[in-house]
Amino acid sequence: NAGVTQTPKFRVLKTGQSMTLLCAQDMNHEYMYWYRQDPGMGLRLIHYSVGEGTTAKGEVPDGYNVSRLKKQNFLLGLESAAPSQTSVYFCASSSSMVVGNIQYFGAGTRLSVL
Amino acid sequence: RKEVEQDPGPFNVPEGATVAFNCTYSNSASQSFFWYRQDCRKEPKLLMSVYSSGNEDGRFTAQLNRASQYISLLIRDSKLSDSATYLCVVNGPNAGKSTFGDGTTLTVKP
Repeated sequence: NAGVTQTPKFRVLKTGQSMTLLCAQDMNHEYMYWYRQDPGMGLRLIHYSVGEGTTAKGEVPDGYNVSRLKKQNFLLGLESAAPSQTSVYFCASSSSMVVGNIQYFGAGTRLSVL
Repeated sequence: RKEVEQDPGPFNVPEGATVAFNCTYSNSASQSFFWYRQDCRKEPKLLMSVYSSGNEDGRFTAQLNRASQYISLLIRDSKLSDSATYLCVVNGPNAGKSTFGDGTTLTVKP
């Protein structure tokens, strides 16, 4: 019962470094999402995808890029990390909107940018 | 004004108490509604969907008021294990458009 798997779980970057966060789901879901959560706040949508090969901007897309080359994978890239990107990043997936779009989350990636 | 607003709390209640959380949303075209639970430093997990007719799952009752654009969550007979942050989630009419509230923190004490 893997569900949604995120790698890595923790990462420390220096300002200006780049990295890619990987999200993999084994539920054959069409929709995938990347969120960030800052202390004491709810989740804010960074980017999302409604299917393989498609991506769209969410609420806070600046400084991030994404790719969905395979249906089961959704990658989040930081080209030049900034301290403001220190956060917990959650990936989620869901099936078609027909069933109410219940989202299943990965365990999160805790990123610190120094 | 935020699209989805919750009372942040914290709510500190004794075991056995009944506690209620409210959540208001601004988009009248919103289509589906959920309560998620998030434990400290963990991922959110679905607690229950919220249906127009209201729905109950054990000690938890969720209600939706479309006219006033709010949803509620009632927890009866609180347990220590109910301590968590409860997130209100509202889905809009467009694919991928889910908006999370900032969460309400509940602490149940012995």
